[in-house]
Amino acid sequence: DTAVSQTPKYLVTQMGNDKSIKCEQNLGHDTMYWYKQDSKKFLKIMFSYNNKELIINETVPNRFSPKSPDKAHLNLHINSLELGDSAVYFCASSQEPGSTGANVLTFGAGSRLTVL
Amino acid sequence: AQSVTQLDSQVPVFEEAPVELRCNYSSSVSVYLFWYVQYPNQGLQLLLKYLSGSTLVKGINGFEAEFNKSQTSFHLRKPSVHISDTAEYFCAVKSANSGYALNFGKGTSLLVTP
Repeated sequence: DTAVSQTPKYLVTQMGNDKSIKCEQNLGHDTMYWYKQDSKKFLKIMFSYNNKELIINETVPNRFSPKSPDKAHLNLHINSLELGDSAVYFCASSQEPGSTGANVLTFGAGSRLTVL
Repeated sequence: AQSVTQLDSQVPVFEEAPVELRCNYSSSVSVYLFWYVQYPNQGLQLLLKYLSGSTLVKGINGFEAEFNKSQTSFHLRKPSVHISDTAEYFCAVKSANSGYALNFGKGTSLLVTP
């Protein structure tokens, strides 16, 4: 059973298109994250949701819109894709802030987005 | 804000040799420290963490790290590496008092050769 699952694993699309990446966790965690890993493997936090509420929103273009229908899901929608959006996007989850497990993130396998 | 510096972008080492991957952090508050490993085409997996207590932390796969507050370091070590340890290693820091996200270093690529 995959703890944090992302779909699709690979996504190739043209500039200007709109695409979504889905993430689901079955760990019962309250907090979910999106990280972006660029071509140099640098990982940067994009968003974090706690119980469906946005708690972190780093400097990310507003073409990126996260949506959390429930605390087990955090999807990432990207409008008007640009070449620079090409990266690997990782979803992660952790327990509720303040709990002992809050500091350990469990990551998905990543979704590689290629914009042509 | 907290930040992490991984001093070596690549570390080549022979199989069965010891290795140390360096990590320094900067923060004005107490921090939690982590090492994650990323095998090729996979997600990140937690190797070990320092939250409190003993400054020497043991993790999976024979790795350990030592928290040194005076030097603001959290170097990762393994006495004898295997080919299978070839991967990208990320040091990460999080404020102990607030904040929700980990801040990662730029990663160190460990390449183990026969």
